[in-house]
Amino acid sequence: AQSVSQHNHHVILSEAASLELGCNYSYGGTVNLFWYVQYPGQHLQLLLKYFSGDPLVKGIKGFEAEFIKSKFSFNLRKPSVQWSDTAEYFCAVKDNAGNNRKLIWGLGTSLAVNP
Amino acid sequence: DTEVTQTPKHLVMGMTNKKSLKCEQHMGHRAMYWYKQKAKKPPELMFVYSYEKLSINESVPSRFSPECPNSSLLNLHLHALQPEDSALYLCASSQDPQGSRPYEQYFGPGTRLTVT
Repeated sequence: AQSVSQHNHHVILSEAASLELGCNYSYGGTVNLFWYVQYPGQHLQLLLKYFSGDPLVKGIKGFEAEFIKSKFSFNLRKPSVQWSDTAEYFCAVKDNAGNNRKLIWGLGTSLAVNP
Repeated sequence: DTEVTQTPKHLVMGMTNKKSLKCEQHMGHRAMYWYKQKAKKPPELMFVYSYEKLSINESVPSRFSPECPNSSLLNLHLHALQPEDSALYLCASSQDPQGSRPYEQYFGPGTRLTVT
């Protein structure tokens, strides 16, 4: 079965520190990859997505992610975090085989940024 | 307009009540989804409607009954819920989900449901 693994469940950083959140998936075919963010008390928002082309994708709020096919990874990065980045971050994968309409979600990473 | 709206924002209901959650999108999306989310956990898929037909039911108990009156609206009817059903219920929509075309899901703000 397909799965998505987020290695860091809880991350605590100080403002201006660099961030990298890991995401690995198990499916070997063509995939679409997503990072969603959920700020406290708010709804899920799409941070960025990868469908095809340049494996380095840039999203909103200064986030970027790199798709490394050989490592089945889609890690999220930000060079300098802010207090307002405190949130839950979810990696999700959709395979493009057949008629699959489901997103497979990682368990999420809780990021706390101290001012 | 990339907005999915949901009403109500909060709902408290007893175990014998009947209530409904509503979701609306005006992006022309032909797929709509219901998810259940517990605190600090990923969303759990409940139902998927594609072109107003139910295409996925993730073995959800019958006390949850979805309805898709038209391509813009999605309802979730609730009856005889249990306290463990208390959660954030999220609606999402996306473009044509058939075949292998890529798409993203847009989420609404959710309804915070408490079952007493």
